[in-house]
Amino acid sequence: AQSVSQHNHHVILSEAASLELGCNYSYGGTVNLFWYVQYPGQHLQLLLKYFSGDPLVKGIKGFEAEFIKSKFSFNLRKPSVQWSDTAEYFCAVTLTGGFKTIFGAGTRLFVKA
Amino acid sequence: NAGVTQTPKFQVLKTGQSMTLQCAQDMNHEYMSWYRQDPGMGLRLIHYSVGAGITDQGEVPNGYNVSRSTTEDFPLRLLSAAPSQTSVYFCASSLSSTGAHTGELFFGEGSRLTVL
Repeated sequence: AQSVSQHNHHVILSEAASLELGCNYSYGGTVNLFWYVQYPGQHLQLLLKYFSGDPLVKGIKGFEAEFIKSKFSFNLRKPSVQWSDTAEYFCAVTLTGGFKTIFGAGTRLFVKA
Repeated sequence: NAGVTQTPKFQVLKTGQSMTLQCAQDMNHEYMSWYRQDPGMGLRLIHYSVGAGITDQGEVPNGYNVSRSTTEDFPLRLLSAAPSQTSVYFCASSLSSTGAHTGELFFGEGSRLTVL
């Protein structure tokens, strides 16, 4: 079955530490890839997306992600986190030309001030 | 811009009761969907629609019905609520092109449902 795996369920970092959240998917075809963020008490918002082209994509608030096709991965990175980055992060995948967007289980990030 | 609007935001039901979660979007999006969010399980797709009159099942459709009579509205119906349906429900919409949607979703603020 098609699935999206996020490696870490909970991550605790201090401010200014670097962040990398892993995401792997099991789709065999061409995919569109997304990272969404959910701040406490809020709905999901798009952080960044990859459709095609440069596999290194930049999103809002200093986040970036790299698509590695051979590894079926789309890892999220940020060089220096802030307390305001405390949130839950979801990786999501849509098969190009398809109608279903499948989400990973999410990673809860807590940044200590 | 209102975006995606969900009502109600909170609801408590007794087992066996029925209810409808409302979702409306004003972005003229063809694609609309319902997800449920449960701790440790992320978001799971319940049903989706690619246009008025067209709906299909997602990952966890059992116990839920949907219909799409207009482009703007996509209500989710629970015919006989069960405690296992206690969850936070999110409606999302997306712009479609050439019959498929890009996957970039715009979410409502969620509806927290508790079934006793």
